[in-house]
Formats: sequence, C-alpha cells, structure tokens
Amino acid sequence: DAGVIQSPRHEVTEMGQEVTLRCKPISGHDYLFWYRQTMMRGLELLIYFNNNVPIDDSGMPEDRFSAKMPNASFSTLKIQPSEPRDSAVYFCASSPVISGNTIYFGEGSWLTVV
Amino acid sequence: GNSVTQMEGPVTLSEEAFLTINCTYTATGYPSLFWYVQYPGEGLQLLLKATKADDKGSNKGFEATYRKETTSFHLEKGSVQVSDSAVYFCALSESGGSYIPTFGRGTSLIVHP
Repeated sequence: DAGVIQSPRHEVTEMGQEVTLRCKPISGHDYLFWYRQTMMRGLELLIYFNNNVPIDDSGMPEDRFSAKMPNASFSTLKIQPSEPRDSAVYFCASSPVISGNTIYFGEGSWLTVV
Repeated sequence: GNSVTQMEGPVTLSEEAFLTINCTYTATGYPSLFWYVQYPGEGLQLLLKATKADDKGSNKGFEATYRKETTSFHLEKGSVQVSDSAVYFCALSESGGSYIPTFGRGTSLIVHP
C-alpha cells in the first residue's frame, strides 16, 4: 500500500520564484495536513483539510503561502514569491480520522531558497 | 489548550545504554498518546501509541506507559543501538472531537558505537 507521496523531494530555487509542492495522500484518508519543519521552530502545522475543504489555515505564515486540494487524491502548497527564510522541509501527512488516530507522513520536500 | 513538553536534546548515549526520553502533556479531555520517530532524511513515522490510562505501547524494543496521574508518557528502551539515532516526537490527539494532533518539539538521540 503506497504511503503519502510528495514531490519534489528536493528543490533549490532563487528568491522571488514561485514554488509548488505536491502531495498525494493515502487513499481513503479524509484529513490532509501540511507541516513545515525548521531547526528554529521545529514542526509547525500550516494548514489542514477535511474532505478537500480547508479547515484551519491559521498556521500559514503569510499571504505568500497558499494551499489547495482540488480532489481527494491531490493537494498543493504554493509559495509566491519565495524568500530565503522559507527554506525548510515541508511535510504532507494524512489521516483517516482526526480524533485519536495515527498521522501518516510523507518523506518531505526539502526546499532551499537562495 | 493542549500541549506536549519533551526534554530538550540532544541525548547522547553509548550503544547498549538505557534510554529515557521524558514527555508530559496537558489536555482538556482523554487523549491518545503517541511517539513518532524521524530517521535522518525521512518523514515522521509512528513508533508506538497508547489510547487510555495505564496502557503500555511497545515496538522495536521501545516502551511507553500512559500515566494519567502524572500526565506523562516517557519513552524507554533497555539497550539502544546506533540505528536508533533519530529524532523522537511525543504527540497527543484527543478523542471524540475535531481536535488536531499536538506534537512536542522533538528530542534528538545520538547513539555512539
């Protein structure tokens, strides 16, 4: 059974460029999460979806960040324009239900903005 | 609100040493408790979980007991290996509601041969 699939695994981009990170959750999972991990801040929840609907985006750092989930099997996190301080590992995760259940993480997208 | 507090790392041990990573939590209800592990270059994966008080979760030689009276879920292993070097995250998730999971800051473990 395939896990959460993220792409790209690694991306290096120049400041000001648009970055799009992609995620395919585990089939049948109703919840999808986007996290950001840095040394300074640890693991931060950016946004989560339930049945393709954004429920809480209060963790999105600013308007340069946006996330969509057009269908149950695909989500994107977009940064436009990117800045060096956006350099981090971005994880997508999914879960069948939200209460008391395991979260399944992808392997992450390692973003470097130069 | 809910919160999870973990001991700060890094924790540095020699192979075959005993490991304890402390985790305490604050929750409004009756949460399930988790330990996730992140190996270098990978995403987090579930290590073990416990869903009610006095339950013991175990996996790969690691154990943690859900202690409601002390609101703790400490991770232990009797004899660590170099391959256990990773970052360990304690987490909680409330049951019976729409509560998103809460993660601790993570504790880095380094095991030397």
